[in-house]
Amino acid sequence: DAGVTQSPTHLIKTRGQQVTLRCSPKSGHDTVSWYQQALGQGPQFIFQYYEEEERQRGNFPDRFSGHQFPNYSSELNVNALLLGDSALYLCASSLVIVSGLEKLFFGSGTQLSVL
Amino acid sequence: SQQGEEDPQALSIQEGENATMNCSYKTSINNLQWYRQNSGRGLVHLILIRSNEREKHSGRLRVTLDTSKKSSSLLITASRAADTASYFCATIYGGATNKLIFGTGTLLAVQP
Repeated sequence: DAGVTQSPTHLIKTRGQQVTLRCSPKSGHDTVSWYQQALGQGPQFIFQYYEEEERQRGNFPDRFSGHQFPNYSSELNVNALLLGDSALYLCASSLVIVSGLEKLFFGSGTQLSVL
Repeated sequence: SQQGEEDPQALSIQEGENATMNCSYKTSINNLQWYRQNSGRGLVHLILIRSNEREKHSGRLRVTLDTSKKSSSLLITASRAADTASYFCATIYGGATNKLIFGTGTLLAVQP
């Protein structure tokens, strides 16, 4: 049973470019959350997708957008890249339950460097 | 920000010693979770404690929760070099938000 997979592992872009990161959730999971983790910091919540819709959003500009597909996989898109977007981008999957979120399963992340 | 804060930011101990990390948060929670991250890669869930629980054990891990003080602690007993990692607390806030907010993390170094 595959866990959460993310691609690519590493990515180098230049300022102003656009980037797309991909995530396949753990089998049986229907919810995908994206996090940005700067060096030495804790993960910052970007947004969460469930039933192909953005359900929750953190304090990130509209340059950050996403999508969830019918097979529950997800993409994170960042437009007009800034140097400050350099970070580890983590995808996490979970199963929504009525009583609230249980534990998250994380992928290994995509290390994005913006030059 | 609703982010919790861990204390200390960094901790260095010898193998066999116990390690204690603390987490403080700001508002009422549904549950609190602890995660480990090795070498800046994906996080791994360690343990979850619900708001109506005060203490929970899992192997060498012991977690306490004090909702009156809005704080939690993670104790790792008989530490090993393999425990070297960053440890984060994460909280789910009231309501069905299903949004997990992470703290700032404690970097633990266990010297062999």
